[in-house]
Amino acid sequence: DAMVIQNPRYQVTQFGKPVTLSCSQTLNHNVMYWYQQKSSQAPKLLFHYYDKDFNNEADTPDNFQSRRPNTSFCFLDIRSPGLGDAAMYLCATSRGDREVQPQHFGDGTRLSIL
Amino acid sequence: GIQVEQSPPDLILQEGANSTLRCNFSDSVNNLQWFHQNPWGQLINLFYIPSGTKQNGRLSATTVATERYSLLYISSSQTTDSGVYFCAVAAGSGYALNFGKGTSLLVTP
Repeated sequence: DAMVIQNPRYQVTQFGKPVTLSCSQTLNHNVMYWYQQKSSQAPKLLFHYYDKDFNNEADTPDNFQSRRPNTSFCFLDIRSPGLGDAAMYLCATSRGDREVQPQHFGDGTRLSIL
Repeated sequence: GIQVEQSPPDLILQEGANSTLRCNFSDSVNNLQWFHQNPWGQLINLFYIPSGTKQNGRLSATTVATERYSLLYISSSQTTDSGVYFCAVAAGSGYALNFGKGTSLLVTP
């Protein structure tokens, strides 16, 4: 049973054309994350939501934004994609308790820029 | 931020061999996870193990939090074990997972 679902699996966009990646979850977790993974590198956190509270990593470019309209859905918006934004984008969720809980990842969206 | 070092960076095994992957980290952690990333890019959660020992089939993991390292054991390796193994940790009160650079494993028939 898919628990963290990312659509689409592959996305192609043009240089400078805005693109939105989506993530949904059936786990009812209150924390959702977006990671960027470039080729042959480790995933790197862009930002996360704790419920509706948005937490941006210090080095996340302004070009990247996120929306979380409800518990189940979270979107990653890239306003003006450059060639350097080609990467795998991974969504993850976790329960936000007093104790840190494991993160569960989706299958990712591989973004290509033409 | 917390530093995560994995070794070895690359590993080639013949099917049936055993291996140990290591993860060292520079600070106390509240979360440690081992992942397997398959050739299709899927990140599979293997263990959530901030301390102690766990086993799941041919895989087991041990984290010695006081000495700041974790080990992943793969026994009787299979070709489907090929891929990249990542160790990721979170420290303090934060949620962000900091990933090591991974160990790239190739299991040959």
